[in-house]
Amino acid sequence: EDQVTQSPEALRLQEGESSSLNCSYTVSGLRGLFWYRQDPGKGPEFLFTLYSAGEEKEKERLKATLTKKESFLHITAPKPEDSATYLCAAPRSNTGKLIFGQGTTLQVKP
Amino acid sequence: DVKVTQSSRYLVKRTGEKVFLECVQDMDHENMFWYRQDPGLGLRLIYFSYDVKMKEKGDIPEGYSVSREKKERFSLILESASTNQTSMYLCASSLGVYQPQHFGDGTRLSIL
Repeated sequence: EDQVTQSPEALRLQEGESSSLNCSYTVSGLRGLFWYRQDPGKGPEFLFTLYSAGEEKEKERLKATLTKKESFLHITAPKPEDSATYLCAAPRSNTGKLIFGQGTTLQVKP
Repeated sequence: DVKVTQSSRYLVKRTGEKVFLECVQDMDHENMFWYRQDPGLGLRLIYFSYDVKMKEKGDIPEGYSVSREKKERFSLILESASTNQTSMYLCASSLGVYQPQHFGDGTRLSIL
C-alpha cells in the first residue's frame, strides 16, 4: 500500500539551530515527491518537487533531498519566520492522486 | 505565479442548508481538486476533475457533489449540510496529474 510518513510530528528549535525533517515513502515507481509549507489558517504553499534519487533543491534556508526511500528537508540557521507546518506528498502509483504525510510542525524561537 | 482563489475565507451555515464553495484558478490548469483538512486526519481528497464537465470521487465523497462548467472554476456543493462537515476546505489545481498542486487559502466552514 502506498504510504507517506513524516517525522517528527513537532520540532522546536532555537533560532540558528539547524535540523532536518524526514519524509519516508513507500510508493512504487515514484513520480515526484512534493514539499509544502503551511501557515496557520492558510492553504499549503508549494516549495519543491523532487523526481529522482540524489536530486536536491534549495530555496533560501531550505534544502530538500531525495533517496530511494525518503526525503529530507534540511533547515539551515532557521529564523522565527520559518515556523510553520511542513507537508510532504507523493502521487499514488496507480491513480496519481496525492498522498500527504501528517506534517511536521516547526517552531523556531528567537 | 499560480493563483487559486476561494470565494470565502470563513462561512457559517445551518444544518440542512445547501452550501456552495467556489474556486477559481488563473493558470489554465487541467486538473482541479477539493480537499478537507481536519486536525489529526490531515488532508483528505473529496473530489477531483481532470477536465471540464468531468469529475471523479476522491476518498471521502459522501455528502458532497461538484460542478465544473468552465475550465477555471470548480465548485463544491454540500447537498444538505451536517455538523460533521465543519472543516477547513481547500481547493487546488495542477497542470498535469503528476505535477505539483497549487492551493488556495481555504474556506473555514462552520455548520451550526
